[in-house]
Amino acid sequence: QQQVKQSPQSLIVQKGGISIINCAYENTAFDYFPWYQQFPGKGPALLIAIRPDVSEKKEGRFTISFNKSAKQFSLHIMDSQPGDSATYFCAARSQGAQKLVFGQGTRLTINP
Amino acid sequence: ETGVTQSPTHLIKTRGQQVTLRCSSQSGHNTVSWYQQALGQGPQFIFQYYREEENGRGNFPPRFSGLQFPNYSSELNVNALELDDSALYLCASSPGQGSIGELFFGEGSRLTVL
Repeated sequence: QQQVKQSPQSLIVQKGGISIINCAYENTAFDYFPWYQQFPGKGPALLIAIRPDVSEKKEGRFTISFNKSAKQFSLHIMDSQPGDSATYFCAARSQGAQKLVFGQGTRLTINP
Repeated sequence: ETGVTQSPTHLIKTRGQQVTLRCSSQSGHNTVSWYQQALGQGPQFIFQYYREEENGRGNFPPRFSGLQFPNYSSELNVNALELDDSALYLCASSPGQGSIGELFFGEGSRLTVL
């Protein structure tokens, strides 16, 4: 019940296209859903996060869509750029809990 | 403002040995968490330290232990190393206990167990 399932494992998108990564969860106690971006040789860095009381959050080219009834959330990257090529992780945390539960990651490649 | 720093960046050990990894938290952050990231996987929570006490632990055996010091820096110790302990070990700091906020990760210590 603690799992967060992420898909696809890898994704190739042309420059200027839309990249979409999906995550699903089972634990209804999760109430914080961040997305992290990780470049090779670096630690994960927070990209954008959402709470379940909103259905969408947008920051620049990055948007999280959240469907509470389906227990799914997704990251959309608009106008994808080669510099967006990285591994993306969704994650979730229960209220008051100390840990983030991460998905398995999506390796995104943006072709120029 | 100094970010999270970890040392060493890479190390190689043999099965059965012990290892100590070190982490300096970001300035002003009093909570440190440790995560294990196996190749091609997402990070997995090991434990968190707050005010020098363990404050939550993931599904890792007791041979994984840690410390937090008064300056909020932290150590991760792993005894009796196994081949499956080969991974990137990530330290993350945050400004409050269990706060719903950003975790700031270091670049990690890559451990190889032969």
